Amino acid sequence: DTGVSQDPRHKITKRGQNVTFRCDPISEHNRLYWYRQTLGQGPEFLTYFQNEAQLEKSRLLSDRFSAERPKGSFSTLEIQRTEQGDSAMYLCASSEVVTRGAGGYTFGSGTRLTVV
Amino acid sequence: AQTVTQSQPEMSVQEAETVTLSCTYDTSESDYYLFWYKQPPSRQMILVIRQEAYKQQNATENRFSVNFQKAAKSFSLKISDSQLGDAAMYFCAYSVHNDMRFGAGTRLTVKP
Repeated sequence: DTGVSQDPRHKITKRGQNVTFRCDPISEHNRLYWYRQTLGQGPEFLTYFQNEAQLEKSRLLSDRFSAERPKGSFSTLEIQRTEQGDSAMYLCASSEVVTRGAGGYTFGSGTRLTVV
Repeated sequence: AQTVTQSQPEMSVQEAETVTLSCTYDTSESDYYLFWYKQPPSRQMILVIRQEAYKQQNATENRFSVNFQKAAKSFSLKISDSQLGDAAMYFCAYSVHNDMRFGAGTRLTVKP
């Protein structure tokens, strides 16, 4: 297992277009998280899955954003009708569910989205 | 709501010296986890060190150690014998019930 993989690494799109990102977590990890990181800021939570169930969504995740994790394996994050404000690094992370607190996340390298 | 505050946007340290990065957090929970992550330029986030709130002993990982003050809700990171490879953004993070939130980060520069 090579860790958390994200594809693509970079995406440039025109405003109004739809984009989809993919995340492949560590195979033993049943939790998967999406974060958004803008320049000079820490990651902001978007949503997370436990297996195939989406358990929480941030209010940052507008109706134009949708995430799926079919069969509890890879996940996709789609942004419809992109806006310039969507330009950011989109990070995926995975973790095991532990009885207490958190075992720490393993992050992917991220997908950098630029909306022009 | 949980918030994490890193009051130092930038820090600088001379190679081989020691530097301390500050972090405070706000929570009403009694059982939680705290983390420091490192993000080198254009590279992925890497876990540096973690602290369990119910443990009084400060965590240590080689040159990295924390000063965890639960009552003060403070969680600082000390890097000893700084190396050029330590240059990165450092993020403090708080987690409860497997939900992790991050501070805005501190950019650490290491001078040769």
